Amino acid sequence: KAGVTQTPRYLIKTRGQQVTLSCSPISGHRSVSWYQQTPGQGLQFLFEYFSETQRNKGNFPGRFSGRQFSNSRSEMNVSTLELGDSALYLCASSLSSGGGYGYTFGSGTRLTVV
Amino acid sequence: KQEVTQIPAALSVPEGENLVLNCSFTDSAIYNLQWFRQDPGKGLTSLLLIQSSQREQTSGRLNASLDKSSGRSTLYIAASQPGDSATYLCAVGAGGTSYGKLTFGQGTILTVHP
Repeated sequence: KAGVTQTPRYLIKTRGQQVTLSCSPISGHRSVSWYQQTPGQGLQFLFEYFSETQRNKGNFPGRFSGRQFSNSRSEMNVSTLELGDSALYLCASSLSSGGGYGYTFGSGTRLTVV
Repeated sequence: KQEVTQIPAALSVPEGENLVLNCSFTDSAIYNLQWFRQDPGKGLTSLLLIQSSQREQTSGRLNASLDKSSGRSTLYIAASQPGDSATYLCAVGAGGTSYGKLTFGQGTILTVHP
């Protein structure tokens, strides 16, 4: 079966712009989580969505937002980009909310802000 | 606040060796613990998921154990191969304010040389 699909794979944006990343979970998975990975901070949780509702969010500024659609696909948006937003953004899907069945990750979107 | 520590930070071994990677966490009230591997610039590949009620899980040459009371997990890799070279990450899932969120360690960078 198809895995977690993230698009695009690579993005280069300019400071001040905004960006939207997309994640399609494994078929049947209804939970989607987002993580930011940087060399200095490692993997940090952004938010989890289940049934179109945000269930939890991490300690990121309001410039980071997300949503989930009725087909479980999710998008993450970052507005007013800063150089420090350069990172690998990873999406994970799970069968249910809370991760009781474990998570499957996508290949990530590499965002570079110049 | 849950904190996850992985030791060692880096490990270099000759092919064929058996090795142990360590993971410790500060709050024993966890749902589960998941081990991942990450190749450079790629997403995370799930290796093993251990539920809080389990003591260990095995998959091929990999064996992961969990001791909730002491806040520790180990990943044992038997007969290591150059293809095992990657960063290994352990992640803890919990409830409460951590519901739906994985807390990751900083990872162990493993190099297996021929």
